[in-house]
Amino acid sequence: DVKVTQSSRYLVKRTGEKVFLECVQDMDHENMFWYRQDPGLGLRLIYFSYDVKMKEKGDIPEGYSVSREKKERFSLILESASTNQTSMYLCASSVDRGEKLFFGSGTQLSVL
Amino acid sequence: QKEVEQNSGPLSVPEGAIASLNCTYSDRGSQSFFWYRQYSGKSPELIMSIYSNGDKEDGRFTAQLNKASQYVSLLIRDSQPSDSATYLCAVDNYGQNFVFGPGTRLSVLP
Repeated sequence: DVKVTQSSRYLVKRTGEKVFLECVQDMDHENMFWYRQDPGLGLRLIYFSYDVKMKEKGDIPEGYSVSREKKERFSLILESASTNQTSMYLCASSVDRGEKLFFGSGTQLSVL
Repeated sequence: QKEVEQNSGPLSVPEGAIASLNCTYSDRGSQSFFWYRQYSGKSPELIMSIYSNGDKEDGRFTAQLNKASQYVSLLIRDSQPSDSATYLCAVDNYGQNFVFGPGTRLSVLP
């Protein structure tokens, strides 16, 4: 079975902290994505990656960075967390471009 | 900026009725269209994909695509309370990633 695992289900951080959100997929997928989901706004793409060490900005990359050192792992980094980054973060992967997404269970991040 | 629009709902239908969910998109060049279902507190899961004009049926679900009108819909026949969820429309973005609509919340009343 396809599996995308996000390291934390709930996370509470303080303003200004550096935050790491980890995502691992076991399907040998080339493509990985980070979305955030907010009520009324749907899913918005933060960053995506088509290959190891490769990254592309999505629609809302400001305040975020990513790392993909290994094919199966895609990390989202909040350099200095702010309250407006409180959100549900969803990691996803796909076997190829334009193919369906497999989502992780999400990380609900609260920045106080 | 590509846009995908959906009525946010909630859309309420009685058990056994047909639920009709609609989605419009702004980019005529889009080729792939997906419907995801998301239960409260859970992550989205794929229900249907459609690539060509017309209807595509899978069990109680039918996806309809009209590229000329830039419109894609999802019909759920014989709606069940277990269908109560938020339905997300996703449209491909030059084959690189997807733009999601805000979702329509469906409530099926017993």
